[in-house]
Amino acid sequence: NAGVTQTPKFQVLKTGQSMTLQCAQDMNHEYMSWYRQDPGMGLRLIHYSVGAGITDQGEVPNGYNVSRSTTEDFPLRLLSAAPSQTSVYFCASSPLAGGPDTQYFGPGTRLTVL
Amino acid sequence: SQQGEEDPQALSIQEGENATMNCSYKTSINNLQWYRQNSGRGLVHLILIRSNEREKHSGRLRVTLDTSKKSSSLLITASRAADTASYFCATDHNTDKLIFGTGTRLQVFP
Repeated sequence: NAGVTQTPKFQVLKTGQSMTLQCAQDMNHEYMSWYRQDPGMGLRLIHYSVGAGITDQGEVPNGYNVSRSTTEDFPLRLLSAAPSQTSVYFCASSPLAGGPDTQYFGPGTRLTVL
Repeated sequence: SQQGEEDPQALSIQEGENATMNCSYKTSINNLQWYRQNSGRGLVHLILIRSNEREKHSGRLRVTLDTSKKSSSLLITASRAADTASYFCATDHNTDKLIFGTGTRLQVFP
């Protein structure tokens, strides 16, 4: 099993550009989520999904869209990139057991917005 | 904010010493989880403790949970230089949102 994979590993954008961060898992997990981590900080939840076709907002959803058309994939779209979105983005997946269970994290995407 | 808060923010110890980190949260939970993050890497799950449990062990790790005080502690015994990392607690607050705390940076000197 590859676990949770994220692409790209690094990305530089100009203000106003849009892009999609890819996340895929091969563990048949119902729960998937996106976090951002700013330097020296903890993780903040952007969006999450409890199954295909179901998504919801986390703590900091503004400026981001998600969709979950399959169990395996959970892409994160930046609609119009801003310098404040410079961060490291982590995708995670887990089984659901009355709530999010043990999270398996991807390696992260380091995004810089100029 | 529902975010948990770890204490201390930073901790420096010598190899062989024990390291204790604390996590406090504000609302009731279904479970509380601890994660480790090595510099620049993704997070790795350490222990999950459910609200009806008071203590769990995994190797050199011991986690306690006091739901009446809304707090948890992570004890790492006989620390090694390889334990140098940031440690985060995460709580679900009886929702589908898993919220992470601000983390404790642990430095273990050889």
